[in-house]
Amino acid sequence: EVQLVQSGAEVKKPGESLRISCKGSGYTFTTYWIAWVRQMPGKGLECVGIIFPGDSDTRYSPSFQGQVTISADKSINTAYLQWSSLKASDSAIYYCARHDSGAVRGVTYNWLDPWGQGTLVTVSS
Amino acid sequence: SFDLTQPPSVSVSPGQTASITCSGDKLGDKFASWYQQKPGQSPVLVIYQDTKRPSGIPERFSGSNSGNTATLTISGAQAMDEADYFCQAWDSSTLYVFGPGTTVTVL
Repeated sequence: EVQLVQSGAEVKKPGESLRISCKGSGYTFTTYWIAWVRQMPGKGLECVGIIFPGDSDTRYSPSFQGQVTISADKSINTAYLQWSSLKASDSAIYYCARHDSGAVRGVTYNWLDPWGQGTLVTVSS
Repeated sequence: SFDLTQPPSVSVSPGQTASITCSGDKLGDKFASWYQQKPGQSPVLVIYQDTKRPSGIPERFSGSNSGNTATLTISGAQAMDEADYFCQAWDSSTLYVFGPGTTVTVL
């Protein structure tokens, strides 16, 4: 069974650093991209960025470029999302999900499946 | 940037058909996926590549995409289908683009 298991909830103060994790199992971790998705309280889904664990190729959505760092350790099948200085506005649930894709007539299609259980990050003084 | 719009809510009677729309500029030239999210749970993929259902997703879920609109249809809606539904497309610069979500109520 393909699974993504995320690290537990975190409570931090503004200005602190944080790294959350996502461990994959049940498939070859190095051959699928992993996406990170933010969901702020009561809101929709926003893509933070994606990483290919095989070579750590990483892409960020423009809104998150420079705000977070995505990395991976392929030796332990784990992807990470980290902040160097948290803000209250970073409070949200963060999901990781496996990215899959294909192409038809030169048009790329992409989807996310499965998703991790989510990590709640609370930043408050 | 590429944006997607969805109606905030859709209501349907049990056993009837619910249609959830997702609009974006020339969305039909891209591929759409749909995710179901129940309260307190992670999103679940229900449709990808416009019309395909992942293993384990009931046949009552179907999708289409043409012009500027993708549609998720729930035929014979059940109480268990109450959830938020998010459409998604891919943009090379912004990566995954999600619609704002539609709350489906079965009553």
